[in-house]
Amino acid sequence: EVQLVESGGGLVQPGRSLKLSCLASGFTFSNYGMNWIRQAPGKGLEWVASISSSSSYIYYADTVKGRFTISRDNAKNTLYLQMTSLRSEDTALYYCARHKAYNWGFAYWGQGTLVTVSS
Amino acid sequence: DIQMTQSPASLSASLGETVTIECRASEDIYNGLAWYQQKPGKSPQLLIYNANSLHTGVPSRFSGSGSGTQYSLKINSLQSEDVASYFCQQYYDYPYTFGAGTKLELK
Repeated sequence: EVQLVESGGGLVQPGRSLKLSCLASGFTFSNYGMNWIRQAPGKGLEWVASISSSSSYIYYADTVKGRFTISRDNAKNTLYLQMTSLRSEDTALYYCARHKAYNWGFAYWGQGTLVTVSS
Repeated sequence: DIQMTQSPASLSASLGETVTIECRASEDIYNGLAWYQQKPGKSPQLLIYNANSLHTGVPSRFSGSGSGTQYSLKINSLQSEDVASYFCQQYYDYPYTFGAGTKLELK
C-alpha cells in the first residue's frame, strides 16, 4: 500500500525558515517523480514544486521560486521542502503527492502538514 | 502559465441526478487533465486522468470527457457520498495549475 507521511509543519514567524519531510513507503520511491502541493485554509489547491526521480529535473511555482527548495533522498525514501523567507501567504496545508505514472495526475497524497506563518 | 477556468463554483443537485462540471484551459492541453474529489478534512483523491481515464477503484458513475481546451466531469446517478469539492488540474505543462474548484451539495 502506498503511504506518504508528511511532517515538519508548525507555527513560524514571517521571514523564518522551516523544512518539511515526506516519508514514502509501499512503492519504489526512486522510480517516481514527487511533488508538493498546498492548500490555504478554505481555499483551493496550488501546486508548489516537483522533482524527478533522480533529481535531474526540478520545477517551482513562481510564488515560491527562490525561497523554497525541493529535494529528495532516495536512500531514505524521503522528500523534502526547505522553505525560507516565509510569508503569511505561505500559510497552508502542505501535501506531498506521487503521480499515478509518468505525470498522469496525482494518484497518491499524504495527509498534509500544516504550516502557519504568523508573528 | 496555463489558466484553468472551472465552472460552476457551486452546484446543488438531488440524489440520482446527473451533474456536469466544466473546465476550460487557456490553451490546448492535449488531454493532460485530471479531476480530483476532496471531502472536508480529507486529502484530494484522483478520479480521472488523461481527461477520460478512470483511476483505479473509482466508481463508474464518474466519467471525464473533452479535448483541446474544453473538459468536463460527469457524475451519473448522484449519491450522498459524492458531496464534496471537485478540482480539475492540467499537467500538460509546468507550472501545473488547478481550477478554483466546484462545491457540490445535495438539494
